[in-house]
Order: sequence, then C-alpha cells, then structure tokens
Amino acid sequence: AQRVTQPEKLLSVFKGAPVELKCNYSYSGSPELFWYVQYSRQRLQLLLRHISRESIKGFTADLNKGETSFHLKKPFAQEEDSAMYYCALSYPLMNTGFQKLVFGTGTRLLVSP
Amino acid sequence: DTGVSQDPRHKITKRGQNVTFRCDPISEHNRLYWYRQTLGQGPEFLTYFQNEAQLEKSRLLSDRFSAERPKGSFSTLEIQRTEQGDSAMYLCASSFTWRTEQFFGPGTRLTVL
Repeated sequence: AQRVTQPEKLLSVFKGAPVELKCNYSYSGSPELFWYVQYSRQRLQLLLRHISRESIKGFTADLNKGETSFHLKKPFAQEEDSAMYYCALSYPLMNTGFQKLVFGTGTRLLVSP
Repeated sequence: DTGVSQDPRHKITKRGQNVTFRCDPISEHNRLYWYRQTLGQGPEFLTYFQNEAQLEKSRLLSDRFSAERPKGSFSTLEIQRTEQGDSAMYLCASSFTWRTEQFFGPGTRLTVL
C-alpha cells in the first residue's frame, strides 16, 4: 500500500543550525512528492513539490528513488520556520484519472533563538 | 476570491446529532476534496468531486457520511448520528483539473460530546 513515513514527531534546533526533516515513501510507480507546511493558526499550504526542483524559503528537497526518500533540508534554520511539516505522496488511482494525496503524520519543527 | 473557505470553523454537537459542513472552493477549480485529520495524524482522504460528480470515496467514509457538490460549486459534508470517534478536523481542498497541487481551507473542527 502507498505510505508516507515521517519518523520524527518533533525536531528541535537552534536558530542558524541546519535542518533535515525526514520523509520516506512506499510506492512502486513514479511518485509525485510534496512538502506541505502549517504555521501556527494558519491553513495547510504547499511548500514545495519535487518536480519543480526549486528552493522555497531556503528549503530544498531531493527525491531519492533508490532510498525512497524525500527529505526536506535547510542549511540555516530561522525562528519563523517553526511549524508543522507534512510530506505527501500523490499517485494515480487506476482507471480513474484521480490523483490521490497521501500524507505522513507530520513533524513539528521548533526553532529556538 | 481569497482562497478556499469553510463554514463553520468550529462545531460542538452531542452524540447522535446530525451536522453539516460547507466548503467553498477557489472559484475556477474543478476538483474538490474532503479530508479528515485527527490528533497526531496527517490529513486522510475522504472523498473527491470533479465538478458535481463524486468520483472517489474512501472506505473511511461510512454510510453515516454523505457529501454533495450541487452545480459543481460549493460542497457540503453531512455526518448523521455523530459518534465521539467523528471528532476531528475536517479539511476541504480544491485544485485545477490538470494540476495536482491542492489548496486547503482552514478546516472545520468538530467535537462530539
């Protein structure tokens, strides 16, 4: 079954430290992967998607098909990065054209001054 | 249009009562999704509409749940005979037909006493 695993519930770092939020997925086809972020009292929003291969707010994520991973990284964390981060896998359901989105359980990033 | 909106934002009800939630998607989006999120979990897919047609339903959506999207605009999610296990955040999202990026609403938090 398609699955997304985020092994850390909480990641606590100091401002300026590097950050890596781990995400592993289970899917036999070609995955489309996303990172969503939810800041305090705000709605869930897309942070980045692997096909864009872009850096958003200093975050990057590289799809590693061999390790089935899509870890989110930032070299220097900022206090405003404190939020809940969800990794998500999108895959097509057979014969429907529907792309289902499966989320991990999320990692709370806490950046302290 | 400032994004996906949901109403109400909070709902407290007694076990056995019926509740109905509304979602207004971004106006030009054809696809609309409902998710449920419980404490410590990521959003879990419930159902999906393309225009007015409900094309996918999760097995999480028991027969007490029904969703509609009349005229392909707003959508409603009704839960009949609520149970304490229905307590969760109910999220709505919308997207363009040809894109997989989903834009989320703020959610409706349901508490069943």
